Amino acid sequence: EDQVTQSPEALRLQEGESSSLNCSYTVSGLRGLFWYRQDPGKGPEFLFTLYSAGEEKEKERLKATLTKKESFLHITAPKPEDSATYLCAVQVISSNDYKLSFGAGTTVTVRA
Amino acid sequence: KAGVTQTPRYLIKTRGQQVTLSCSPISGHRSVSWYQQTPGQGLQFLFEYFSETQRNKGNFPGRFSGRQFSNSRSEMNVSTLELGDSALYLCASSSEGGPYEQYFGPGTRLTVT
Repeated sequence: EDQVTQSPEALRLQEGESSSLNCSYTVSGLRGLFWYRQDPGKGPEFLFTLYSAGEEKEKERLKATLTKKESFLHITAPKPEDSATYLCAVQVISSNDYKLSFGAGTTVTVRA
Repeated sequence: KAGVTQTPRYLIKTRGQQVTLSCSPISGHRSVSWYQQTPGQGLQFLFEYFSETQRNKGNFPGRFSGRQFSNSRSEMNVSTLELGDSALYLCASSSEGGPYEQYFGPGTRLTVT
């Protein structure tokens, strides 16, 4: 069965203190790995898609990387507005199956 | 482009009742997926519709059903509501042919009393 595990569950950072979030996955065949950001009471906001090991994508203070077994979301010099829950999801290679399987998320709190 | 819209945003229902939630995807997107989000179980896949056909279904009881219309708008129905159905119900749309990103709406918060 496909599994997605995120760590840590929660992360408290001081403004400017860089850190990384981990998403490890066990799937039969990866079509894509997705990172989302979710603010309380809102729907997940799409951040990145990664398709193959070695791929990296950046957006402002966020950088996502992918290996064969895990993905990292690096937050560089975070600001309070980066506080959110970050969700990782995988999509497996299967005919006509495009569902996302989500991890439990990492809740990031950035203090000024 | 307008994003995914969901109505209503909030609902309070009584156990045993039924409820219908609506989702309008991003213009041009033909795939609509539904997810349930709870604090204990996280985000779980309910079902996906593509061109008015259910293409995939998650592990939820038959009380949960859906449909998609020719304009790609989708509805989700839950019959005989249980307390455990209280959750944030999220709809996501994606375009055909990849790159398979799904864009989520704001969700419908359902409370069953």
